[in-house]
Amino acid sequence: NAGVMQNPRHLVRRRGQEARLRCSPMKGHSHVYWYRQLPEEGLKFMVYLQKENIIDESGMPKERFSAEFPKEGPSILRIQQVVRGDSAAYFCASSPFRDTEAFFGQGTRLTVV
Amino acid sequence: KQEVTQIPAALSVPEGENLVLNCSFTDSAIYNLQWFRQDPGKGLTSLLLIQSSQREQTSGRLNASLDKSSGRSTLYIAASQPGDSATYLCAVGGETSGSRLTFGEGTQLTVNP
Repeated sequence: NAGVMQNPRHLVRRRGQEARLRCSPMKGHSHVYWYRQLPEEGLKFMVYLQKENIIDESGMPKERFSAEFPKEGPSILRIQQVVRGDSAAYFCASSPFRDTEAFFGQGTRLTVV
Repeated sequence: KQEVTQIPAALSVPEGENLVLNCSFTDSAIYNLQWFRQDPGKGLTSLLLIQSSQREQTSGRLNASLDKSSGRSTLYIAASQPGDSATYLCAVGGETSGSRLTFGEGTQLTVNP
């Protein structure tokens, strides 16, 4: 049973481009969480999704950021018109049920140049 | 709003020493508490998960305790080794979702040979 898979591991984008980060949860997990770790800061919750539904997006910036978890395929975190301040490590976690242990992926390190 | 604080921010010890990492949280209405390890540039490895009804969990040289009423947890590492050098993160799961985590800033541990 493979762990949580995130790709790409590293992503470089120029200011104004779009960044798409993918997360494939562990097999049998239908709950996905995205977190962001800014340089020299702790991990901050962004969004919690269940298949085809956004459950909690209270940590996600209101503009330029969106997330989805379709019925088929990975969860996608999309950042439009990236700015330098978006440079961070983005981690995805998944769990089989709402209140169980969450397992983390290796993260995607986004660099905006 | 839940806030998680970890003390100390950094710790350097000689090999073989027993040590304690501290975590405190402001809202005692938590569902669970997890301790993670993060190596530089890498993802998060879950070390121990304590449900809110539990007092402690043990895994090998690691022991984590939870005092929910006082909003505190400690991670005890016995007979530390250079391979234990990493950042240790404490995270609490909220009442609305145990898998949606609020993280502390971490304790950066260095174990010197």
